[in-house]
Amino acid sequence: QQQVKQSPQSLIVQKGGISIINCAYENTAFDYFPWYQQFPGKGPALLIAIRPDVSEKKEGRFTISFNKSAKQFSLHIMDSQPGDSATYFCAASLSGGSYIPTFGRGTSLIVHP
Amino acid sequence: DAEITQSPRHKITETGRQVTLACHQTWNHNNMFWYRQDLGHGLRLIHYSYGVHDTNKGEVSDGYSVSRSNTEDLPLTLESAASSQTSVYFCASMRGDSSTDTQYFGPGTRLTVL
Repeated sequence: QQQVKQSPQSLIVQKGGISIINCAYENTAFDYFPWYQQFPGKGPALLIAIRPDVSEKKEGRFTISFNKSAKQFSLHIMDSQPGDSATYFCAASLSGGSYIPTFGRGTSLIVHP
Repeated sequence: DAEITQSPRHKITETGRQVTLACHQTWNHNNMFWYRQDLGHGLRLIHYSYGVHDTNKGEVSDGYSVSRSNTEDLPLTLESAASSQTSVYFCASMRGDSSTDTQYFGPGTRLTVL
């Protein structure tokens, strides 16, 4: 059973466009939602994260939007650049448990110059 | 600077051989993890450890084992390598104090089983 569903699997965007990656979760006990960015040949690295007590978090060109009632959250990359080309993973974890993140299956983003 | 390293970075082996992938972290993190990454499946958890002498099975643990004799290292052993275990393997560590902890990933080991 996939507890965090991520879409799309792949995404192609033109330079300057907006990239949007969506995730949906099932366990309402999740209370931390990080996004990881992985460049080719590298391990994933934390990009940005949000807690469910806020609806939006912005860091530079990267924004997480969170909809608690719909159990959905999304990553928006504004003014997408070729250097943003990477695989993005959403994840969810919960306090009081193992703290092990549950990952989505990833989105491969290609930004064309 | 603290880091997490994996070795080897690339490995080619034959079916039936035993293979051990090394993972070493210098953050003094309690929690360590092994994942495999395959196209279309994302990151799948193989084994994890909450501390010395503690090991736990993840969702795809069959054919793999780990041992934790110190805080810094969590080697992953493939007892008898199979072609289905061809993958990219990532080790990660995490302090483990709360759900907001960050997982730090190593650079990965690309394993090919012929």
